[in-house]
Amino acid sequence: DTVLTQSPALAVSPGERVTISCRASESVSTLMHWYQQKPGQQPTLLIYLASNLESGVPARFSGSGSGTDFTLTIDPVEADDTATYYCQQSWNDIFTFGSGTKLEIK
Amino acid sequence: EVKLVESGGGLVQPGRSLKLSCAASGFSFNDYWMGWVRQAPGKGLEWIGEINQDSSTINYTPSLKDKFTISRDNAQNTLYLQMSKLGSEDTAIYYCARLGTTPHYFDYWGQGVMVTVSS
Repeated sequence: DTVLTQSPALAVSPGERVTISCRASESVSTLMHWYQQKPGQQPTLLIYLASNLESGVPARFSGSGSGTDFTLTIDPVEADDTATYYCQQSWNDIFTFGSGTKLEIK
Repeated sequence: EVKLVESGGGLVQPGRSLKLSCAASGFSFNDYWMGWVRQAPGKGLEWIGEINQDSSTINYTPSLKDKFTISRDNAQNTLYLQMSKLGSEDTAIYYCARLGTTPHYFDYWGQGVMVTVSS
């Protein structure tokens, strides 16, 4: 299975720029997607196919990367962005999620 | 409006079986791949599997392939997850989700249903 590695947590202040990384154990081309999950809620799609912004998602969110290294950027961060962010790959028939990065807004 | 509503969760004894349902509305159900994802308490997301539009292709995460079965009824706009030989490690919130127009990501999620495996 393709393992996705994310750093466990980040803390930033409102108005700052934050980058959340996801590294794949093998190349997944651009088949990487990002989700936001707020406490007590289901996940929501932010970015699909590495860099495409899902409809209705603020333009503060952006994604980049290909191969094994991917980044989700939030610029500027707002207080409402407190959540856990997950990457997910779909390179093969077995999808996998990263372990999530918990974002705290100071 | 796309809606996915899971049901069938609850408390179940170890070793028993349980079948979850997901009622879909607000879109043409038979045009989309559908999938299941679970989340153990305080843990991350785990992909369970997915099924294509006519049920001819069903993919599972290897560790659950012999325990879980995904199916769908397009006439009823319903997705199912049959779970067998349940253990405490299966305690989780189970989410039904729709895959996007390219079936690589989940663009809509249900609110989830809790399954607790305990004696």
